[in-house]
Amino acid sequence: SQTIHQWPATLVQPVGSPLSLECTVEGTSNPNLYWYRQAAGRGLQLLFYSVGIGQISSEVPQNLSASRPQDRQFILSSKKLLLSDSGFYLCAWSGQGWTEAFFGQGTRLTVV
Amino acid sequence: SQELEQSPQSLIVQEGKNLTINCTSSKTLYGLYWYKQKYGEGLIFLMMLQKGGEEKSHEKITAKLDEKKQQSSLHITASQPSHAGIYLCGAPSEGGSEKLVFGKGMKLTVNP
Repeated sequence: SQTIHQWPATLVQPVGSPLSLECTVEGTSNPNLYWYRQAAGRGLQLLFYSVGIGQISSEVPQNLSASRPQDRQFILSSKKLLLSDSGFYLCAWSGQGWTEAFFGQGTRLTVV
Repeated sequence: SQELEQSPQSLIVQEGKNLTINCTSSKTLYGLYWYKQKYGEGLIFLMMLQKGGEEKSHEKITAKLDEKKQQSSLHITASQPSHAGIYLCGAPSEGGSEKLVFGKGMKLTVNP
């Protein structure tokens, strides 16, 4: 069966420090991959999505970037974190076409 | 782009009561997901509706898709404290698109 792993679960980082959040999927191939950020009262904001290795679509211009170095690996990065980057980050995957989408357990990022 | 509006934004009910929440789309709905989220956790997939008029049930939760109204409703029968959480609807931003967007969520509290 398919599973999605996202880590770390929580992270406290100082302003100006780099960030790397990793998400991996098992049990499927060529998934669509997604990064979302959830802030209080603002719902689930799509940050990046990818339909294949090296193919990244950016939805919101900001201080973050994403990469997909392998088929089932999706990385969210920042060179210098801002206070406004704090939030709950969620990774998700879906099959090609219109299929179910499944989420990881999320990473609570606090920038101090 | 596609926007999903959920109503009500929050709801408090007594255990045993029935309730309905709605998700209305700004554009044509090509299908819709429903998820449930406990605070600080990932999203749990409930069901996916793929065509107009479709209705699905999972335990005491039933969801319907009304393409003409560009709306989906989720109905909970005889609510229990275990139903408490945030309910989110999501959909492709356009037909055939891999880009998935979500509503802001509806917070449900069930009092024993």
